[in-house]
Amino acid sequence: DAGITQSPRYKITETGRQVTLMCHQTWSHSYMFWYRQDLGHGLRLIYYSAAADITDKGEVPDGYVVSRSKTENFPLTLESATRSQTSVYFCASSEGNSPLHFGNGTRLTVT
Amino acid sequence: GQQVMQIPQYQHVQEGEDFTTYCNSSTTLSNIQWYKQRPGGHPVFLIQLVKSGEVKKQKRLTFQFGEAKKNSSLHITATQTTDVGTYFCGGGSTLGRLYFGRGTQLTVWP
Repeated sequence: DAGITQSPRYKITETGRQVTLMCHQTWSHSYMFWYRQDLGHGLRLIYYSAAADITDKGEVPDGYVVSRSKTENFPLTLESATRSQTSVYFCASSEGNSPLHFGNGTRLTVT
Repeated sequence: GQQVMQIPQYQHVQEGEDFTTYCNSSTTLSNIQWYKQRPGGHPVFLIQLVKSGEVKKQKRLTFQFGEAKKNSSLHITATQTTDVGTYFCGGGSTLGRLYFGRGTQLTVWP
């Protein structure tokens, strides 16, 4: 959907480096989410945010940090990347229990 | 915590055959949502079910929500090659979070 964009689309980084994945939405949705997708595990929730300055952990938050100073942005930071964080990362937004709108994803490889 | 289980993980069918995927939750859900992800793409919303026992149809797709609001199914009648992809169910909690099953990857042989 054109209303939610993720950057970069592809990223290769080395173990131990910090990397930030960006997510921007233009709908002013209250909720934003970060999921990671790995073969055999489906979509797993990393962090979510119900509004600006409100964030909470999902199923697999370890090793990740998020912030939401503005409603439209929800960056995800890997403070010290590990190989196990190689994955496809999807950002999504919604209003409460309404459907999620996903971005196109970021394919991250940690070498 | 909330868990959503989805089966089967893979399904291979010949074009024209029917397909069903099942979703079960360990807790009562506020709603359930179904998404389709084409290879290389991102999940795209199909439908949301909210009421106990609800049944909704979209052309060849039929979605059901169980009476106890803990299970759901997606049935595709007479599959076509355009149905190829991974189908995910997402269980909604009252806090606005959505927990997904592992998905069912559908392959359709022409």
